[in-house]
Amino acid sequence: EADIYQTPRYLVIGTGKKITLECSQTMGHDKMYWYQQDPGMELHLIHYSYGVNSTEKGDLSSESTVSRIRTEHFPLTLESARPSHTSQYLCASSGTGPHEQYFGPGTRLTVT
Amino acid sequence: GQQVMQIPQYQHVQEGEDFTTYCNSSTTLSNIQWYKQRPGGHPVFLIQLVKSGEVKKQKRLTFQFGEAKKNSSLHITATQTTDVGTYFCAGPTGGGNKLTFGTGTQLKVEL
Repeated sequence: EADIYQTPRYLVIGTGKKITLECSQTMGHDKMYWYQQDPGMELHLIHYSYGVNSTEKGDLSSESTVSRIRTEHFPLTLESARPSHTSQYLCASSGTGPHEQYFGPGTRLTVT
Repeated sequence: GQQVMQIPQYQHVQEGEDFTTYCNSSTTLSNIQWYKQRPGGHPVFLIQLVKSGEVKKQKRLTFQFGEAKKNSSLHITATQTTDVGTYFCAGPTGGGNKLTFGTGTQLKVEL
């Protein structure tokens, strides 16, 4: 069954730690996205990719970085976590054209 | 840049009452998408509207795209507790490869 996966689902980490949030999809989608969402609030695009070796920054400035070495994998890295990074991070993918986006379950990050 | 606003921000209804959320874009949209996010969950695609004035129905949900393709609405008839969640509209940007999500309307349904 085609799906989009995110790990970990929940993460509590101390300030200054390096973290990588994993996102994988089995749908063969070229386009992948990372959103940041605070509880009950709107989604803010922080990174996106149109394909392998293609990454772009989104509309919301973020200290995170991403990579796209394989079509199915789009990890997000924070080199030094801070309390201001506490949020939910949602990964999504979509196919060619103006198609709908499929979202993963999200990672709830808390930085203490 | 493109802005997509939704009203109301919150809506509490009694089960059985109707509900409507409105979506307004600062620019003309080639299409509009609607998503539902249950509490603690992730957004799930509901529908896409493409044509000016288009109306689509999914059981108790009715979606409409404005004539000028700058606004849209979602109407739920006779709400149920399963309708609880936040409803987002989204319009394409960046040549259609990105979406700008609306501010969302959080719906709570009381028995």
